[in-house]
Amino acid sequence: EDKVVQSPLSLVVHEGDTVTLNCSYEVTNFRSLLWYKQEKKAPTFLFMLTSSGIEKKSGRLSSILDKKELSSILNITATQTGDSAIYLCAVGTSGSRLTFGEGTQLTVNP
Amino acid sequence: DVKVTQSSRYLVKRTGEKVFLECVQDMDHENMFWYRQDPGLGLRLIYFSYDVKMKEKGDIPEGYSVSREKKERFSLILESASTNQTSMYLCASSSRGGPSTDTQYFGPGTRLTVL
Repeated sequence: EDKVVQSPLSLVVHEGDTVTLNCSYEVTNFRSLLWYKQEKKAPTFLFMLTSSGIEKKSGRLSSILDKKELSSILNITATQTGDSAIYLCAVGTSGSRLTFGEGTQLTVNP
Repeated sequence: DVKVTQSSRYLVKRTGEKVFLECVQDMDHENMFWYRQDPGLGLRLIYFSYDVKMKEKGDIPEGYSVSREKKERFSLILESASTNQTSMYLCASSSRGGPSTDTQYFGPGTRLTVL
């Protein structure tokens, strides 16, 4: 059975802090790893990492895939209150399915 | 711009009622998915479809059925709603191909309460 585990499950920081969210996986037929941000509605896509693209960066957010360790991290620097959300990690396997982790609830206080 | 819409944002039904949740995507995607999201459990896949009239069970299909008569529309049916089906239901779609097509695009969700 495919499994994705995220840690921590929740995190409270102050504005300006840097945070690192973790995602580890045990799946058969790994194809991709995706990060989503979910505020009080639908998850929105952040990054996709694959064997041919193991690092992505967009503004204050960056992510790295470690295929040897079967894990990924999502870094957010200089956090803002608007970064408060649930961050979901998902792993793509054969057949276009995604297996999701539980999510990390990030709260950024002013 | 990518768009997935769901028929209702909030829905309240009574135990035993038949419930229809509709999802429409305008991206000409082959794949469509239904998930439910519960605190502490994350997103769990109920059913998915690779093509019109095709359906596959996900991880928690019990108590649900689906219908895909047109490429852009994927319906989730609760034949006889029960209180343990109170949840947030999310629809998603993606195109078919290699790993670069794995990104799923989500609708706004339907929060269903079964009394």
